[in-house]
Amino acid sequence: DQQVKQNSPSLSVQEGRISILNCDYTNSMFDYFLWYKKYPAEGPTFLISISSIKDKNEDGRFTVFLNKSAKHLSLHIVPSQPGDSAVYFCAASAVGNQFYFGTGTSLTVIP
Amino acid sequence: DAGVIQSPRHEVTEMGQEVTLRCKPISGHDYLFWYRQTMMRGLELLIYFNNNVPIDDSGMPEDRFSAKMPNASFSTLKIQPSEPRDSAVYFCASSLGAWAGAFFGQGTRLTVV
Repeated sequence: DQQVKQNSPSLSVQEGRISILNCDYTNSMFDYFLWYKKYPAEGPTFLISISSIKDKNEDGRFTVFLNKSAKHLSLHIVPSQPGDSAVYFCAASAVGNQFYFGTGTSLTVIP
Repeated sequence: DAGVIQSPRHEVTEMGQEVTLRCKPISGHDYLFWYRQTMMRGLELLIYFNNNVPIDDSGMPEDRFSAKMPNASFSTLKIQPSEPRDSAVYFCASSLGAWAGAFFGQGTRLTVV
């Protein structure tokens, strides 16, 4: 059973606009969330995290929002750049337990 | 540090053969993770170690899969016997602490024919 879901397999955005990547989870015990970015033929790289005590975490152009009641998190990239084109994975975990990953969203930023 | 190093980068093997994937984590990291990525299931955690001790292997698909971490700088993931459905990209990752973002290796693309 997929506990973390990324329902949009792909997303295309114009350069300079906002990219919004979404992630839903089913386990209400999850309290820590990560976003990873993956380029082809490379391993995922850690991007940004958020714990359940916060509803927003910002790092430069990247902001993650957490809506615990909806069991939903999103990653906003503003402004989007062509180098942001990659596959983005969200991951979730409950304290002391393993991380569960979504299947990824492929972002294409069009110059 | 060179990052997490995995070998080989590509492996093609025949069904029934034994396959061994290798990983060198980042020095000083105390957590090591093995993941498998497929188109259908995305990124799945297979097993992780803390201070060389396996903590959770519930993601290991079946007894054909085994992982070891004989010391802090080396881990192996072995598949014996291999099957075509094992074809995937296998990632190793390490982190300093369970809650830090993990650093991933470049992965091993395994093809079982």
